[in-house]
Amino acid sequence: QKEVEQNSGPLSVPEGAIASLNCTYSDRGSQSFFWYRQYSGKSPELIMSIYSNGDKEDGRFTAQLNKASQYVSLLIRDSQPSDSATYLCAAIIQGYQKVTFGTGTKLQVIP
Amino acid sequence: DAGVIQSPRHEVTEMGQEVTLRCKPISGHDYLFWYRQTMMRGLELLIYFNNNVPIDDSGMPEDRFSAKMPNASFSTLKIQPSEPRDSAVYFCASSLEGSGYEQYFGPGTRLTVT
Repeated sequence: QKEVEQNSGPLSVPEGAIASLNCTYSDRGSQSFFWYRQYSGKSPELIMSIYSNGDKEDGRFTAQLNKASQYVSLLIRDSQPSDSATYLCAAIIQGYQKVTFGTGTKLQVIP
Repeated sequence: DAGVIQSPRHEVTEMGQEVTLRCKPISGHDYLFWYRQTMMRGLELLIYFNNNVPIDDSGMPEDRFSAKMPNASFSTLKIQPSEPRDSAVYFCASSLEGSGYEQYFGPGTRLTVT
C-alpha cells in the first residue's frame, strides 16, 4: 500500500466550476500536508500547506484536512484553464523532513 | 531572491558514462533534497542533507549513485556508470527548518542515457 494515494485522473472540469482533488494517507504519524502543482515539463510548485484539522483558504484554493479519516483534499474554485496541471499531495511525519509524495492527479479545465 | 538552481538543465549521455548533476539551494536553507521523477514511479526521494550532512540515503537506487554536499551552497549527484534506466528528471529541493517543512524545488535536470 502506498503511503500517499491519489487518483491519477484526469479530472476534467468546465471553466468556472469547482475542482475537487482528493488524497489519502496511511501513516497516522503524518502531521503536515502539502499540495504542489506541477505543469507539464516544469518542477513542482508549493501552493498550499495544512497542519491542523479543518479548512485553510488561500485565494481560490482551499485545503481540507481530516486526520481521523486520514484524508486531505484541495478545492479550486472558479477553475481556470491555467489551473490545468498535475497536483501532487504530500505528507510528512512531524519531526522529520522526509516528505512522501503521491503520484499526482491530472486536472484538466475545459474552456 | 534566487530560487534553487540546478545545472545542467538537460543532459544526454551514453551508457557507461559518468554524469554529474549540480544544485545550489536557496541561501539560508539548511535542508537539501534530491528527487527523481519518472512516469512509472512518480517523484522519489533519493537522499537528503541537513547542514551538509547526509541524513537519509535509503532512496538511492544502488551504488552507482552518490551524492555530496561539500558546503551549504552546493551539492552534486553523481551517477557512475550511467544506464538507460537512469533516464529521468532529477530535482533538487531545499527547505528551512522551522518553516513548516515546506520544500522549494529547482527547475530540474532532464537526463537521457542512450
